[in-house]
Amino acid sequence: GQNIDQPTEMTATEGAIVQINCTYQTSGFNGLFWYQQHAGEAPTFLSYNVLDGLEEKGRFSSFLSRSKGYSYLLLKELQMKDSASYLCAPSDTGFQKLVFGTGTRLLVSP
Amino acid sequence: EPEVTQTPSHQVTQMGQEVILRCVPISNHLYFYWYRQILGQKVEFLVSFYNNEISEKSEIFDDQFSVERPDGSNFTLKIRSTKLEDSAMYFCASRRDGPLGGGNEKLFFGSGTQLSVL
Repeated sequence: GQNIDQPTEMTATEGAIVQINCTYQTSGFNGLFWYQQHAGEAPTFLSYNVLDGLEEKGRFSSFLSRSKGYSYLLLKELQMKDSASYLCAPSDTGFQKLVFGTGTRLLVSP
Repeated sequence: EPEVTQTPSHQVTQMGQEVILRCVPISNHLYFYWYRQILGQKVEFLVSFYNNEISEKSEIFDDQFSVERPDGSNFTLKIRSTKLEDSAMYFCASRRDGPLGGGNEKLFFGSGTQLSVL
């Protein structure tokens, strides 16, 4: 089975930096995804980490430590449009599916 | 960018009726998935489909549910004898085949079908 733990909600102000943490326990592991989901919309891909370390992609970066079962998503220069849920999703071996956590709802205020 | 398309965007049905949710995955993708999201809850895996057969299914995906790829482009989810608790947003997703990396691992989601069972 899989167990994924993320904070339920976070708040930040426009222009700030926020770090969303995720810890996970999985029976098999083949990388970790972060998705963004605006209310009423489909999840959209943000990042994928399979090796330990930091992956940077514009304003968004994602970090993975496989030995600790830990990942974080770092969002810089926050904008109002970044208000959304951020879903941590480890993938299992064989890549048959992603299992999503409950997500972290981020509210960015002016 | 290519898209996964789902129809209809909204479906209202009476309890006990059968519904078919339709998806057109991205044309060169070979892995297909159905997920659902009950309002205010997490996105839940239902089933994965590869090479014309189910590769994995969750506990939710019982005999009430079935999937089919009736032709080279469509991928459908059938829900028989719908119940009130089947009310949810249903997402179809697809990805390419191939070794990890280079974007093959990326799951593309459709915009969903909001199913309301009355």
